[in-house]
Amino acid sequence: AQKVTQAQTEISVVEKEDVTLDCVYETRDTTYYLFWYKQPPSGELVFLIRRNSFDEQNEISGRYSWNFQKSTSSFNFTITASQVVDSAVYFCALIDQTGANNLFFGTGTRLTVIP
Amino acid sequence: NAGVTQTPKFRVLKTGQSMTLLCAQDMNHEYMYWYRQDPGMGLRLIHYSVGEGTTAKGEVPDGYNVSRLKKQNFLLGLESAAPSQTSVYFCASSYSSRLYGYTFGSGTRLTVV
Repeated sequence: AQKVTQAQTEISVVEKEDVTLDCVYETRDTTYYLFWYKQPPSGELVFLIRRNSFDEQNEISGRYSWNFQKSTSSFNFTITASQVVDSAVYFCALIDQTGANNLFFGTGTRLTVIP
Repeated sequence: NAGVTQTPKFRVLKTGQSMTLLCAQDMNHEYMYWYRQDPGMGLRLIHYSVGEGTTAKGEVPDGYNVSRLKKQNFLLGLESAAPSQTSVYFCASSYSSRLYGYTFGSGTRLTVV
């Protein structure tokens, strides 16, 4: 069965510090997709990124970057020079074929950026 | 451009009461989902639908029923609400490929007292 582990329940950093949110996944499928979502205090879920299992290239989008390593089954998310607006709960999620192609979430990491 | 709309946004129920949560999407998505979010547990799939007239159970379906009579609507029903169903409920929809992530509604905060 698929599993997504976000071991960091809560993280606090001071503004402008870099922070990495960890995500470790388990799946028996060779084809799968990984996602990150942001849930700000207002409560909505905001899509950040999607990665498929055949593309291990790291990705950078502004202050955000993602490191996908199949060898360690990890898909970590780094925020550079954090800002107060980055304070949110971040979810890592997985779609694989075993899970009927449904989106399966980790338990989330609450990030607090202190001004 | 509404996307996914959930009604109501907030509701308080007494134990044993029933209610229906409505999800509507205007993106012509084939797939629709209902999740619940509880502290420390992330989002868990309750039921989903792969097309009009179809429904299937997710990870935590007990105590809920769903219907997808029209492609754009997905209803979640609680026949006899219990305090354990106090949660935030999210509806989502996606294209048939399901490869581009989901579009989520803004959530419904339900409290059962």
